[in-house]
Formats: sequence, C-alpha cells, structure tokens
Amino acid sequence: GENVEQHPSTLSVQEGDSAVIKCTYSDSASNYFPWYKQELGKRPQLIIDIRSNVGEKKDQRIAVTLNKTAKHFSLHITETQPEDSAVYFCAASSGNTPLVFGKGTRLSVIA
Amino acid sequence: GAVVSQHPSRVICKSGTSVKIECRSLDFQATTMFWYRQFPKQSLMLMATSNEGSKATYEQGVEKDKFLINHASLTLSTLTVTSAHPEDSSFYICSATPMGGGAQYFGPGTRLTVL
Repeated sequence: GENVEQHPSTLSVQEGDSAVIKCTYSDSASNYFPWYKQELGKRPQLIIDIRSNVGEKKDQRIAVTLNKTAKHFSLHITETQPEDSAVYFCAASSGNTPLVFGKGTRLSVIA
Repeated sequence: GAVVSQHPSRVICKSGTSVKIECRSLDFQATTMFWYRQFPKQSLMLMATSNEGSKATYEQGVEKDKFLINHASLTLSTLTVTSAHPEDSSFYICSATPMGGGAQYFGPGTRLTVL
C-alpha cells in the first residue's frame, strides 16, 4: 500500500520568512495530493491540493509542487505570519481510495 | 460548501459503556466516509472506510466488533465504540468525499474520554 513520509517534523521560522515542507510517497498510482492545516484541537482544514497532471499550483502565499518522477511533493509558504503556526499534514491517494497521511510538521512562526 | 458535521463534540463516559458518534455531510452527498483516530501529537490514523449501503472496510488492527460503523444514508455515518475502555480515549474524526471524488472534508472531531 501507499506510504507517505513527511519532513521535517518540526520547523521554526521567523515571521516573513518562507517555510518548506516536503513529502515523498511510494505508490506510483497515487494521483491526488492534498495538504491540510490543523490547529490544536480542531479539524484538519484543506489548504491546497494538486493532482498528478499538474506540476505546480499556487494560491496567494501558498504553493505546492509535485515531481511525479521522483514521487515527491512540497508545500511552500511565503511571507509567513504567526497565524500560519499549526501542524501541517500532507496526504496522497488514488481515485476514491482513502488518504494516507504523513506524520505531520509542526510549524512555528516566531514574531 | 462541503461542510461535515460531527456529534457530539465531546463525550466523557465510564469504562464499559458504549458511545455513538454521528458524522453528517450537510451540503453534499457522500457515498464514502472515513473514520480516523488521532492521539495527542500524532497523525490521523485511518480506522475504517464506510460505504453507503454496504459493510465498512476496516484497517488492519482495528476490531470491527468493537468499532461498529453504519452508513445508513448518503449523508450519515455512525461510529459506535462498544464497551469503551480508557485506552479508547482519543480524538475521533470523520471525513467525507463528495460523489465523484476529490478532496476529503473533515468533521470537527469528537474527543472521547473514558474514565
């Protein structure tokens, strides 16, 4: 089955700097890669997703890149703000199969 | 759009009792819903996939007789934790995918504490 690895597990950045979180996956059939943001005690919120027919997608300060050959995808947050502090999860799936999540990255943005 | 509700948000029960958690897709129909468990500072672990009108598919290591899942309609799935014990204390979250596939949308979660 699918296996998703996520790095780093914790990340601290100064406000205004960029943050990058990387994930790798094992199943070449996976074609859907969402990113979720989870604040303490709350539900994961979908922040951006990408499908395998696209190499990059951007939404304001958030971007995701996908390299299907290497089986890795990354989340980029620019101009970080304190409210970006949360746990971020990457995930992968194919079609209607359940999402397989990475272990999460705890991002701290220091003002 | 794509709102998923979950009830109750928090429950405290005595060891040995059963607890039912409801998951509803409010503005879309979902043939498939998923149940996850999340322990503190850990990732979401899939427990089972709930399909409307058929038996749920459980992940390895999840006892189907302990975690009963019923997907009665295209907008409702329930998880019943039977004979709950303190080790079942966790954050239980459901998610649903709109018909036709795509993103999974999560409910707000249920924090279960078994005394």
